[in-house]
Amino acid sequence: QSVLTQPPSASGTPGQRVTISCSGSSSNIESNYVHWYQQLPGTAPKLLIYRNNLRPSGVPDRFSGSKSGTSVSLAISGLRSEDEADYYCAAWDDSLSGVYVFGTGTKVTVL
Amino acid sequence: QLQLQESGPGLVKPSETLSLTCTVSGGSINSSDYYWGWIRQPPGKGLEWIGSLYYSGSTYNNPSLKSRVTISVDTSKNQFYLSLSSVTAADTAVYFCARMRSSSMIVVVIGGDFDYWGQGTLVTVSS
Repeated sequence: QSVLTQPPSASGTPGQRVTISCSGSSSNIESNYVHWYQQLPGTAPKLLIYRNNLRPSGVPDRFSGSKSGTSVSLAISGLRSEDEADYYCAAWDDSLSGVYVFGTGTKVTVL
Repeated sequence: QLQLQESGPGLVKPSETLSLTCTVSGGSINSSDYYWGWIRQPPGKGLEWIGSLYYSGSTYNNPSLKSRVTISVDTSKNQFYLSLSSVTAADTAVYFCARMRSSSMIVVVIGGDFDYWGQGTLVTVSS
């Protein structure tokens, strides 16, 4: 059972703004960087956002990340059909001897 | 361009050991700047970190998998490996290898993002 909780689904029409939340705790989100991954159907995850709000080269600025306390959010503005995918937050968790945790995942549907 | 490729048997019998290889090309695994990791995804489910290692051989494993996991490296072959013992049907998943960056910009510390991934390989546990 993941310690990072995401809504199972989110949706929007083309051009809309969609926001995905990820809730954690003091041992993971609050004290470490959070990263976001996009997984298109049948493919490997792709790094979308790293260190809370940075975009790798090639990721459109329609994607943005933010962090506040023990929660983070991923926003997709100007939603496009190719954004339909699963999205996962992730962070290092300092509990026990340390563990890398992924969120439960959110399926984004473009209506 | 860095590339990672998983390889290994697609079918493993219950109670046996799952063994996978990740071959890294386009870059050296013998770098002090990165960690290397294994992540898995059961069919229709989310991602689970299995463990990571540093080129020196230091390893970090998911406590949920207890002592079943062994991750090792052969820098001369630019490969790292996953061994998962006593498998059950619950270990059926797509297994990915990936490169992990440092979580600190000052010193190399485990826990950063996975910036390069292999395509994944499906391993089914069944008799």
